[in-house]
Amino acid sequence: KQEVTQIPAALSVPEGENLVLNCSFTDSAIYNLQWFRQDPGKGLTSLLLIQSSQREQTSGRLNASLDKSSGRSTLYIAASQPGDSATYLCAVRQGAQKLVFGQGTRLTINP
Amino acid sequence: EAGVVQSPRYKIIEKKQPVAFWCNPISGHNTLYWYLQNLGQGPELLIRYENEEAVDDSQLPKDRFSAERLKGVDSTLKIQPAELGDSAVYLCASSLDAGTGTYEQYFGPGTRLTVT
Repeated sequence: KQEVTQIPAALSVPEGENLVLNCSFTDSAIYNLQWFRQDPGKGLTSLLLIQSSQREQTSGRLNASLDKSSGRSTLYIAASQPGDSATYLCAVRQGAQKLVFGQGTRLTINP
Repeated sequence: EAGVVQSPRYKIIEKKQPVAFWCNPISGHNTLYWYLQNLGQGPELLIRYENEEAVDDSQLPKDRFSAERLKGVDSTLKIQPAELGDSAVYLCASSLDAGTGTYEQYFGPGTRLTVT
């Protein structure tokens, strides 16, 4: 059974810092990995999707990497801003089009 | 382009009462998902539809939960009777793919259910 773990569960950093969020998964047989952002009381917003054949994806200040063999992904946020404060979730997609989510990292950027 | 629409956004009911949630996916998306998200946890899949067919309902508690997707577009998730432990956020998502596993899932804002 696929298990997805995100460390740390919560992170608080000063504005302007670069930071890395970690995601690990136990079964490397995945179609893709997706990073989401969730604001309090809101749904999930897709940030980046990495196909299993890719190593990384970039969007603005965000960069996500994927090492399928080691079962790891990282989300790098450059020059963090208070507006980046949210919960970040990673999810892996396996056969039968099922997304398995981690429990999320709650990020707080302090002005 | 409109996103995934869900209603109601919030619902408070007493235990043992029925409740229903509605979802309208993004136009043209043939795959629809219902997820359950408990506080502080990631979403967990309840049921997945490809067009009007429920192709994965293995995590749906069928004694009290039911779902339908008439005409392969809108979907309704029902709980009857609701229990205290059903308090959670119910998320609907949709995607273009019907088997390739390559397309992103787009999520609605969710329905926050409180059972008292």
